[in-house]
Amino acid sequence: GQSLEQPSEVTAVEGAIVQINCTYQTSGFYGLSWYQQHDGGAPTFLSYNGLDGLEETGRFSSFLSRSDSYGYLLLQELQMKDSASYFCAVSNQAGTALIFGKGTTLSVSS
Amino acid sequence: NAGVTQTPKFQVLKTGQSMTLQCAQDMNHEYMSWYRQDPGMGLRLIHYSVGAGITDQGEVPNGYNVSRSTTEDFPLRLLSAAPSQTSVYFCASSYEGVTEAFFGQGTRLTVV
Repeated sequence: GQSLEQPSEVTAVEGAIVQINCTYQTSGFYGLSWYQQHDGGAPTFLSYNGLDGLEETGRFSSFLSRSDSYGYLLLQELQMKDSASYFCAVSNQAGTALIFGKGTTLSVSS
Repeated sequence: NAGVTQTPKFQVLKTGQSMTLQCAQDMNHEYMSWYRQDPGMGLRLIHYSVGAGITDQGEVPNGYNVSRSTTEDFPLRLLSAAPSQTSVYFCASSYEGVTEAFFGQGTRLTVV
């Protein structure tokens, strides 16, 4: 089956850069996705990497290395509003639904 | 511009009661999924569907039933609620199974 590992907590200060790592084991791989969830809210899509390399969207970047079964989410110029949980996700073996990691709680302080 | 709509937002059930969590999407997505979220456990896949009339089990399907009679609706049924089913339930839809998933606002269910 599919499994993902990511750190449970990360702390940083405003303006800093933080990297959240994700390693995965899958039977069939269709790409790595990242989602953000604020307390009490719904998960929202941040990025998707189908191929190796870096994808950049504003202050957020995501990286994938398929040979290492590894990816990361990079958050730059951290703001208080970035305090949230971040989940990496891969598809199930058939590519028909997403399987999520347990999430990383990011706390940004001033 | 509704997206994915879940009802109800909050529910308290007694052990043994049944209920249906509703999920509707207006984006004409073929792929829909149900997840439960418990503290420290992330989002766990309960059931999913790849189109009307087609459903399959996810990681934690026991105690839950689903059906998909239309593209828009994907209800989740608890036949006999148990305290272990106390959780936050999210419904999601997507154009494909691996691309951007859109989530509803969740249903917070407590079974006493």
